[in-house]
Amino acid sequence: LAKTTQPISMDSYEGQEVNITCSHNNIATNDYITWYQQFPSQGPRFIIQGYKTKVTNEVASLFIPADRKSSTLSLPRVSLSDTAVYYCLVGDTGGFKTIFGAGTRLFVKA
Amino acid sequence: SQTIHQWPATLVQPVGSPLSLECTVEGTSNPNLYWYRQAAGRGLQLLFYSVGIGQISSEVPQNLSASRPQDRQFILSSKKLLLSDSGFYLCAGPRGEKLFFGSGTQLSVL
Repeated sequence: LAKTTQPISMDSYEGQEVNITCSHNNIATNDYITWYQQFPSQGPRFIIQGYKTKVTNEVASLFIPADRKSSTLSLPRVSLSDTAVYYCLVGDTGGFKTIFGAGTRLFVKA
Repeated sequence: SQTIHQWPATLVQPVGSPLSLECTVEGTSNPNLYWYRQAAGRGLQLLFYSVGIGQISSEVPQNLSASRPQDRQFILSSKKLLLSDSGFYLCAGPRGEKLFFGSGTQLSVL
């Protein structure tokens, strides 16, 4: 599985847009890029998944450049409830073992 | 739709006691299943994964073991718990290309 590198932590304020970038230089052709959100004492929750270009859903956008060696999770207008740890995951989560990196701890301030 | 059940939610055990955590899956057959552990303030560590009945792969050498006695049942065990076994244990399975997690068991070894 491709190794991922993310910032350890980020701070933001309510109403701002937050962009979290993940590096995955050795991503394989068949790999998807998936982001999860985790609150304390809960299991990670799926946010968004993409393969290339841009994906948008009701909670976030995922930007993937043409070389796919990085990806950026964009959270529009964050609120206090978006304070959580965000994990970037690269691989085939359906068929193979899945390893989570350390994640990015986002702290949203009022 | 798929559902992952884990119990108990919280467990306090003395050092040296045995452990058995159970995970059951509904809504799918022959899923890959995973056991993760998360120490306080840390990322998720993959412990075991299983691709089918009786098939277990261990990612980290430790005093824990796992078994898959039935298609939809995944059990995490220990004969003698250590203090370092404390943590948040999560069972997960695939939902399409995504991972879906149970609610977790918070284990405190005292």
